[in-house]
Amino acid sequence: AQKVTQAQTEISVVEKEDVTLDCVYETRDTTYYLFWYKQPPSGELVFLIRRNSFDEQNEISGRYSWNFQKSTSSFNFTITASQVVDSAVYFCALATSGTYKYIFGTGTRLKVLA
Amino acid sequence: DAGITQSPRHKVTETGTPVTLRCHQTENHRYMYWYRQDPGHGLRLIHYSYGVKDTDKGEVSDGYSVSRSKTEDFLLTLESATSSQTSVYFCAISEGGLAGSETQYFGPGTRLLVL
Repeated sequence: AQKVTQAQTEISVVEKEDVTLDCVYETRDTTYYLFWYKQPPSGELVFLIRRNSFDEQNEISGRYSWNFQKSTSSFNFTITASQVVDSAVYFCALATSGTYKYIFGTGTRLKVLA
Repeated sequence: DAGITQSPRHKVTETGTPVTLRCHQTENHRYMYWYRQDPGHGLRLIHYSYGVKDTDKGEVSDGYSVSRSKTEDFLLTLESATSSQTSVYFCAISEGGLAGSETQYFGPGTRLLVL
């Protein structure tokens, strides 16, 4: 069975702090895809990144970076120098090859305080 | 931004009444999805469509039906709404290439309250 665990329900940081959101996944498939989405207070879901299981290179996009480690089945998301606008709920999701069904984690609410 | 609209954006209804939510896309994507979002559950797939008149069930399909008569429209119907169907409903689309690999893009959501 596939499963995504985001153990951190809520995190609060002060602006300019770095913060890491954890995502641990379970799957027996060798080909799979991982995603992160952001849901700001306005409610929409914004796509952030997609990564396939054969590409373990870390990725950086501005203040955002992602650390994919197959050995620990984790796909963690780090925000460097956090800003108030980063306040949102962040979801990690898993999709295995051959299915169009995403499995979402329960989300982590990030509060960045000014 | 992907061209996805949902209507209505907010709805209050009573238990036992039928409700239809509409998702409209302008991207000509083959796949469309309906999810519900509930606290503590993240997003869960209700139904999805892989083409006109082609649909399949997701993990929480009981009490819901869908229809897709045109590429751009995907309808979600609650045949007889119950309070447990109070939720935020999201539509999503993807192009329809290699299964599992595609990014899904989401609509703005519909807040449904069943009294």
